[in-house]
Amino acid sequence: DGGITQSPKYLFRKEGQNVTLSCEQNLNHDAMYWYRQDPGQGLRLIYYSQIVNDFQKGDIAEGYSVSREKKESFPLTVTSAQKNPTAFYLCASSPRSSGGTGELFFGEGSRLTVL
Amino acid sequence: AQSVTQPDIHITVSEGASLELRCNYSYGATPYLFWYVQSPGQGLQLLLKYFSGDTLVQGIKGFEAEFKRSQSSFNLRKPSVHWSDAAEYFCAVGAGTNAGKSTFGDGTTLTVKP
Repeated sequence: DGGITQSPKYLFRKEGQNVTLSCEQNLNHDAMYWYRQDPGQGLRLIYYSQIVNDFQKGDIAEGYSVSREKKESFPLTVTSAQKNPTAFYLCASSPRSSGGTGELFFGEGSRLTVL
Repeated sequence: AQSVTQPDIHITVSEGASLELRCNYSYGATPYLFWYVQSPGQGLQLLLKYFSGDTLVQGIKGFEAEFKRSQSSFNLRKPSVHWSDAAEYFCAVGAGTNAGKSTFGDGTTLTVKP
């Protein structure tokens, strides 16, 4: 079945450590996104990529980094520079075409806790 | 700038009762509007979307929503709620085909009483 796979589902990190969250999709979508979700808040865009080897900062990119070396993969690194990294992270994708309607397809999320 | 307001943080309804979740948006052109549902610890799933045509749109799981341009609203409805509908619901306004520019509301948590 086509979909988006995020791993790990739960991750614990000590302060000062970088961690990388994996996101893989087999939907053949061009665009991929990373969102952060905090309790009682909507989703905030961290980074997005519309084609391989290209990505743009979203609204809250500070302390995060990404790469897009393959169409299927869009890993997110949470660096030690991110002051409050404990959150639920969601990866999403969408087809990039002029006929698209902008809907997003989501993975099941990764919960990061900083100890 | 586009924005979305979901006025109700938490709603409780009895099983079998009707449901309406409110969503108001601000957008300079014809909006692309979405409702997503999120179960605890899970990702979001699209319930329905509107971008043109009939202002009453049908979605999955028996949900529908009505686009009212004059009121800048896109309220979600269901005639009879099931216990499995308990979840968090997000309204979003999108900037056309650039889905990454979607703006999400803060969500409404639905509790269903037996």
